[in-house]
Amino acid sequence: ELKVEQNPLFLSMQEGKNYTIYCNYSTTSDRLYWYRQDPGKSLESLFVLLSNGAVKQEGRLMASLDTKARLSTLHITAAVHDLSATYFCAVEDEKLTFGTGTRLTIIP
Amino acid sequence: KAGVTQTPRYLIKTRGQQVTLSCSPISGHRSVSWYQQTPGQGLQFLFEYFSETQRNKGNFPGRFSGRQFSNSRSEMNVSTLELGDSALYLCASSSQGAPNTEAFFGQGTRLTVV
Repeated sequence: ELKVEQNPLFLSMQEGKNYTIYCNYSTTSDRLYWYRQDPGKSLESLFVLLSNGAVKQEGRLMASLDTKARLSTLHITAAVHDLSATYFCAVEDEKLTFGTGTRLTIIP
Repeated sequence: KAGVTQTPRYLIKTRGQQVTLSCSPISGHRSVSWYQQTPGQGLQFLFEYFSETQRNKGNFPGRFSGRQFSNSRSEMNVSTLELGDSALYLCASSSQGAPNTEAFFGQGTRLTVV
């Protein structure tokens, strides 16, 4: 059974700082997604990573995928308050298997 | 292009009742998947329908069922509701379904069982 682990579960950081969220998974897959969820809302697609070594950037967020290490990272650069949300990674085989989520709080 | 539409947005039901949730996918998408989100269990896959056929199923009891119509709209039914069924139910549509295409999520239906 595919397992997806995210860490940390909770992250409180100051505006302007950098940090990384980690997503480890237990089986071979080269399709990984990152989503953002605001409280009470649905999932917003952030990145689709489709191959080993894939790197994608959007604004202050950058995601990468290492399929050999079964690891994806979501890096936040110079955090701003608007990035406060819960972030999920999801690995795709026949379905999406989600990580536990990282609740990110940006403190002014 | 319209997104994924789920109705209703909120529901309150009593234990033992049944409930039906609806999902209209993005036009042209043939795959619809359902997920349950709870604080304790996180996001869990329920089932996927493609061209009116259930193609994949998660580890949920038989009280949870679904179907898909010829226009790709999908319904999910939960019978004999339990308190633990209280959750946000999310529907996702994609053109072909995993493992080939990106899924887009609806706004969800918040079900509360009292």
